Amino acid sequence: GENVEQHPSTLSVQEGDSAVIKCTYSDSASNYFPWYKQELGKGPQLIIDIRSNVGEKKDQRIAVTLNKTAKHFSLHITETQPEDSAVYFCAASIGFGNEKLTFGTGTRLTIIP
Amino acid sequence: DSGVTQTPKHLITATGQRVTLRCSPRSGDLSVYWYQQSLDQGLQFLIQYYNGEERAKGNILERFSAQQFPDLHSELNLSSLELGDSALYFCASSPGAGGADTQYFGPGTRLTVL
Repeated sequence: GENVEQHPSTLSVQEGDSAVIKCTYSDSASNYFPWYKQELGKGPQLIIDIRSNVGEKKDQRIAVTLNKTAKHFSLHITETQPEDSAVYFCAASIGFGNEKLTFGTGTRLTIIP
Repeated sequence: DSGVTQTPKHLITATGQRVTLRCSPRSGDLSVYWYQQSLDQGLQFLIQYYNGEERAKGNILERFSAQQFPDLHSELNLSSLELGDSALYFCASSPGAGGADTQYFGPGTRLTVL
């Protein structure tokens, strides 16, 4: 089955700096790659996603890049703010649907004021 | 607030017992997904129901079962509970069967098995 690896497991950045989280996946058939943010005591919240026919997608301070050849995708957060502190999960799915999402192990991002 | 509700928020029970977790999807969503989040296994997909029918199955144990009712709410039944079943259980919903749908997660049920 699909395997998703996520790095780093923890990341601390100064407020205003950029943060990058990287994920690799194993199954070349995967074609949907969402990123979720989970705050303490809450469920995961989708922040951005990308499909295999797109190489990059941006939404304000958040961007995701996808390299299908290398089977990796990354989350970029620019001008980080204290409210960006949370655990971030990448995920991948095989086929056309987003059922059977396989998640990475998570990155705990801490923004230092 | 995602619009997905889960009850109860917390559940404490003993080994060998059976519990039922409940999920109400967002208004209009036809799919419900169940996930287990534990420290050692991370976030794992268990099962998906679409409009009352099972659509996809993940790493769900035989001791666990789920169903989706005509009003589209779903229940996850966990039986013969073991210490290792202690985890956060999330429900998510989406409008259709998958495809281009975004999954919206509920706040979760924290299960503690003593």
